[in-house]
Amino acid sequence: SAVISQKPSRDICQRGTSLTIQCQVDSQVTMMFWYRQQPGQSLTLIATANQGSEATYESGFVIDKFPISRPNLTFSTLTVSNMSPEDSSIYLCSVGTGAGYGYTFGSGTRLTVV
Amino acid sequence: EDQVTQSPEALRLQEGESSSLNCSYTVSGLRGLFWYRQDPGKGPEFLFTLYSAGEEKEKERLKATLTKKESFLHITAPKPEDSATYLCAVLLGNNNDMRFGAGTRLTVKP
Repeated sequence: SAVISQKPSRDICQRGTSLTIQCQVDSQVTMMFWYRQQPGQSLTLIATANQGSEATYESGFVIDKFPISRPNLTFSTLTVSNMSPEDSSIYLCSVGTGAGYGYTFGSGTRLTVV
Repeated sequence: EDQVTQSPEALRLQEGESSSLNCSYTVSGLRGLFWYRQDPGKGPEFLFTLYSAGEEKEKERLKATLTKKESFLHITAPKPEDSATYLCAVLLGNNNDMRFGAGTRLTVKP
């Protein structure tokens, strides 16, 4: 299965600033997914990122707040913009690994906004 | 509305004490049901995929089963290293939307 390198693993940021999270995959994948996991809660899909097209955002998430880049088939970034304490969460990228094998996840970025 | 509900929220077992975790779902267009294990500070790790009612999958002390409305993750004679959060997810429709339950936090005490 694919191996995902996600960084940074954690960060503490001031409110009003932005953080860019990087996700590198060791093989070419068509679709990459960005999730948020708030403390004690499950994963919520933020957006789906396809190479060569605009990301598709889920209800409640907008491009101005969470801009995504997908420059090639092995890399994506998610930016959390104009952060507030409510953005404190774990952010995870994932990729599909073929029918029946679920998604592979990065180890996550633990973000704390102060 | 598509929903995935897991129970219990937390489960504490003695080593060797078998039990089951439940995942009930109300979705349209189910394309597959997935079980993941998540350890603290890590992303979810894929365990099983189930596609149709009656299907079963096994891996070491874990067995996953599926009916038309729910899935069970049976843990036989668990060990402390089985302690983790177990997540259930369903794959919906045609947009690869994987919807997760809130998880069951399992603790196995020696």
